[in-house]
Amino acid sequence: EIMITQSPATLSASPGERATLSCRASQSVGNKIAWYQQKPGQAPRLLIDDASARAADIPLRFSGSGSGTEFTLTISSLQSEDFANYFCLHFGNWPGFSFGPGTKVDIK
Amino acid sequence: ELLVQSGAEVKKPGESLKISCKASGYNFETHWIGWVRQMPGKGLEWMGSIYPRDSDTKYSPSFQGRVTILADTSTTFLQWSSLKASDTATYYCVRDSPGALWGKGTTVIVSS
Repeated sequence: EIMITQSPATLSASPGERATLSCRASQSVGNKIAWYQQKPGQAPRLLIDDASARAADIPLRFSGSGSGTEFTLTISSLQSEDFANYFCLHFGNWPGFSFGPGTKVDIK
Repeated sequence: ELLVQSGAEVKKPGESLKISCKASGYNFETHWIGWVRQMPGKGLEWMGSIYPRDSDTKYSPSFQGRVTILADTSTTFLQWSSLKASDTATYYCVRDSPGALWGKGTTVIVSS
């Protein structure tokens, strides 16, 4: 079973700062990683598909990179609406998928 | 395109429950629908998925035998025969993997 981990668990940052979130797989998953944002009381929102493809209507400040076992979600300049929880998801075991434990981005 | 989930439920341990996710605006039969659990204050867990055209169903080992996933005309269901307090959570349905289309979630509270 492929294990997905994320770091840090919490990232404290100020509006306008750059945020870098990491996702690691216990073995190579190619590019089968997606990133989601979730706010309290809301369903997750797909940000990035196939490690680096921005989903529809996602702002340009969100970007994804990586392949194999190491992946990164970068928010180039944090906006107030970006303070939320972020999950990476491995979808290589179609139709199943597994989430990482998440990173909470909060206001410093 | 929409996934509309049924309303919140409050049940007692040992009771049965069936929650629903109704699809509209796309070809329901040709897209997998998955169910995801989120326990209070916790992360997201894939429970299982169903392909409505032929009802092919896959379960996470963690949920196999604990829940049943079904599909009917434009609606998928998540069913328990005997709830436990640990089933208290919000349950989401999601189309495909990775899915951009999610339901808003159904909160289930199991308490005596």
